Amino acid sequence: AQSVTQLGSHVSVSEGALVLLRCNYSSSVPPYLFWYVQYPNQGLQLLLKYTSAATLVKGINGFEAEFKKSETSFHLTKPSAHMSDAAEYFCAVKRRGNTPLVFGKGTRLSVIA
Amino acid sequence: GAVVSQHPSWVICKSGTSVKIECRSLDFQATTMFWYRQFPKQSLMLMATSNEGSKATYEQGVEKDKFLINHASLTLSTLTVTSAHPEDSSFYICSAAVPNEKLFFGSGTQLSVL
Repeated sequence: AQSVTQLGSHVSVSEGALVLLRCNYSSSVPPYLFWYVQYPNQGLQLLLKYTSAATLVKGINGFEAEFKKSETSFHLTKPSAHMSDAAEYFCAVKRRGNTPLVFGKGTRLSVIA
Repeated sequence: GAVVSQHPSWVICKSGTSVKIECRSLDFQATTMFWYRQFPKQSLMLMATSNEGSKATYEQGVEKDKFLINHASLTLSTLTVTSAHPEDSSFYICSAAVPNEKLFFGSGTQLSVL
């Protein structure tokens, strides 16, 4: 079975500071990994995804994530936080094929002015 | 990019009534539709998987007679919450899969049962 663990249900950073949201995965086969953002009362927006190409993946809004097989991690980073980044972030894993995403529990990001 | 149109975006209903949620794939054919449920401040949990023309496969703990899923065409899947109760109040979201392994999410439906 596949799963992801997001460390920290709530992360708070100052505006302009580095954002680091942690995700570790468990998978018996090479996974596809995703980060999504969800704003209050809205659906999901894909930030970026890893599908076994480059291990450093750049996404939208200045976010990026690095796939580290040795650490089974896929942490999300952004060099400088904006107030508009405050939202809920979900890491997700997927097996190859016609399979669903399995989501982590989410990390709420707060950005302090 | 591909769009999944999900309606309604929010619905309020009385306890005991049924609610139908639709997800339509616009300009592409969705061979598989995944339905998720998200309770407040929680993650998205897979409820069921439906393939066009086949019966849906439900995850453990999800009542198939309560959450009726129909996937009669490659562009439309519906989830009907039958005899809804307050504990069914949740955010429901669909995700359409295409053969090249891409997934596209609907915008979600917030269901409130009074």
